[in-house]
Amino acid sequence: NAGVTQTPKFRVLKTGQSMTLLCAQDMNHEYMYWYRQDPGMGLRLIHYSVGEGTTAKGEVPDGYNVSRLKKQNFLLGLESAAPSQTSVYFCASSPGQSPQETQYFGPGTRLLVL
Amino acid sequence: QQQVKQSPQSLIVQKGGISIINCAYENTAFDYFPWYQQFPGKGPALLIAIRPDVSEKKEGRFTISFNKSAKQFSLHIMDSQPGDSATYFCAASYHQLIWGAGTKLIIKP
Repeated sequence: NAGVTQTPKFRVLKTGQSMTLLCAQDMNHEYMYWYRQDPGMGLRLIHYSVGEGTTAKGEVPDGYNVSRLKKQNFLLGLESAAPSQTSVYFCASSPGQSPQETQYFGPGTRLLVL
Repeated sequence: QQQVKQSPQSLIVQKGGISIINCAYENTAFDYFPWYQQFPGKGPALLIAIRPDVSEKKEGRFTISFNKSAKQFSLHIMDSQPGDSATYFCAASYHQLIWGAGTKLIIKP
């Protein structure tokens, strides 16, 4: 099992450009999450999904969109990148509905917006 | 009320010493308190977790101490080793997981 994988690993964007980050999991997990990690601020939830075809906003959703067309994939889109979106983005998945379920993280995508 | 405050921001401990990281919360509805460990270039991974009906949980060299009345919990790493050098996150959950800001731990050989 590969677990949770993320592509790309690293990307540089210019302000205003768009991009999509891909997260894939092979553990048949229902829940998937997108976080951003910034120094001194821990992990902040951007969006999450409780199942195929459903998404919900997290703590910091502005400037991002998501889609979960297939159970194993969760896409994070930046429509018009801003320097404030420079961060490390982590995807995670968990088996069930309880917030007490262990979250399994991918290796992260480092994004630099110039 | 949703915040989880973690301290210190960074910590340097000599090999063989005890590393202690503290977290405090306000929301008494929180009912699950995990600690995640993150190595450089990797995603966080669950290390150990506790529920508020117990005051302590131990797994190997890692122990969570939980003080419900003070609304505080802490991670103790006994006999700290250079391989324990990582960033540690506490978290608390009720409907969703709320994360602390993280502690960068360095174990000096």
